[in-house]
Amino acid sequence: ETGVTQSPTHLIKTRGQQVTLRCSSQSGHNTVSWYQQALGQGPQFIFQYYREEENGRGNFPPRFSGLQFPNYSSELNVNALELDDSALYLCASSLVNTGDLRSGYTFGSGTRLTVV
Amino acid sequence: DAKTTQPPSMDCAEGRAANLPCNHSTISGNEYVYWYRQIHSQGPQYIIHGLKNNETNEMASLIITEDRKSSTLILPHATLRDTAVYYCIVRVILSQFYFGTGTSLTVIP
Repeated sequence: ETGVTQSPTHLIKTRGQQVTLRCSSQSGHNTVSWYQQALGQGPQFIFQYYREEENGRGNFPPRFSGLQFPNYSSELNVNALELDDSALYLCASSLVNTGDLRSGYTFGSGTRLTVV
Repeated sequence: DAKTTQPPSMDCAEGRAANLPCNHSTISGNEYVYWYRQIHSQGPQYIIHGLKNNETNEMASLIITEDRKSSTLILPHATLRDTAVYYCIVRVILSQFYFGTGTSLTVIP
């Protein structure tokens, strides 16, 4: 059973640029969520995708967007990067179905984004 | 917003039980209690979860009070590799996880 893999592991971008982060869900998982974790803080929920549709969003501006593909992999796109976007970005996948009342998430190791 | 309260830090001697408390006084009847931990520079790792009853797995035990307003995660024999930030989260099924700042557990040799 493969886990959640994220790429790249580290990235440096310049303020104003755009970035795309990628995530491959754990085999058999159909839901993916993205989290932003600033230094010293807990992860903050960005959004969640289920069956290629966004079905939940945290308090993040529209320049944070995402995609989920038919194979359940996912992308997080951030436009017009700001210095405060520097953080660890975590992807988490889960299997959600009507019979599963207890699904938890499997997290990847994250992408460390530095905006300079 | 996080709906749990945890102490910011705790120490535990290696080989002893680590008891990590969590208050969730506003928990709803359909919210589960989850525990995750995050070792430095890694993604959060699932430990255990429960609704009403106490739960045990190969990693830890979860004790939930009868009124469900608090819980305790127990690591029975702490090792140095258990040094991590531990997050207590309450969550309705199919919803997202709201993390607080967690408890930083340091296991001391």
